[in-house]
Amino acid sequence: DTAVSQTPKYLVTQMGNDKSIKCEQNLGHDTMYWYKQDSKKFLKIMFSYNNKELIINETVPNRFSPKSPDKAHLNLHINSLELGDSAVYFCASSQRAWGIYEQYFGPGTRLTVT
Amino acid sequence: DQQVKQNSPSLSVQEGRISILNCDYTNSMFDYFLWYKKYPAEGPTFLISISSIKDKNEDGRFTVFLNKSAKHLSLHIVPSQPGDSAVYFCAAIAYGGATNKLIFGTGTLLAVQP
Repeated sequence: DTAVSQTPKYLVTQMGNDKSIKCEQNLGHDTMYWYKQDSKKFLKIMFSYNNKELIINETVPNRFSPKSPDKAHLNLHINSLELGDSAVYFCASSQRAWGIYEQYFGPGTRLTVT
Repeated sequence: DQQVKQNSPSLSVQEGRISILNCDYTNSMFDYFLWYKKYPAEGPTFLISISSIKDKNEDGRFTVFLNKSAKHLSLHIVPSQPGDSAVYFCAAIAYGGATNKLIFGTGTLLAVQP
């Protein structure tokens, strides 16, 4: 019974393609996040949604479009993939967006763009 | 601009000894600090945290120390066990703004030798 799950775990694709990564949490949390861990191992937030509403958008290129159909799901769609998009993408959730709530992370999706 | 820094990319310790992982930050507005542990091919998991109004927090073998004047925190693991071998991320959060964002360091790889 995985708390935060992501699919796929690995994704290899060519430049210019469009791909999606799915995330689901079964913790009943209100808030979900997408993080990117680049080649320098720097883990940086990209987006956050609270009850399906976007609350954080960290100057991510428009090619990245998160979608939250309900508060248990936050998917990430990436258009026109570029080499620099290669990274590990982590989904996370927390009980609330504000206040002292720890974040629970999914296992990550390793995206490789060739 | 990296607001949370972990200057040691790796640390090797003998089993049973103390592991000390260090973290420095630049933003004096941070209210809360967290340590996350990450095994390969898994997402980070929350380990321990400390509020900026405290200087120490202990949980079993793990203790986090905060020195606000030096903008420095450290994680002590005593005694270290082989199962503690992982990447440890320091993270910080500033409350009071429109949103709360976790700012991560780049991580320290701890290897505990049996």
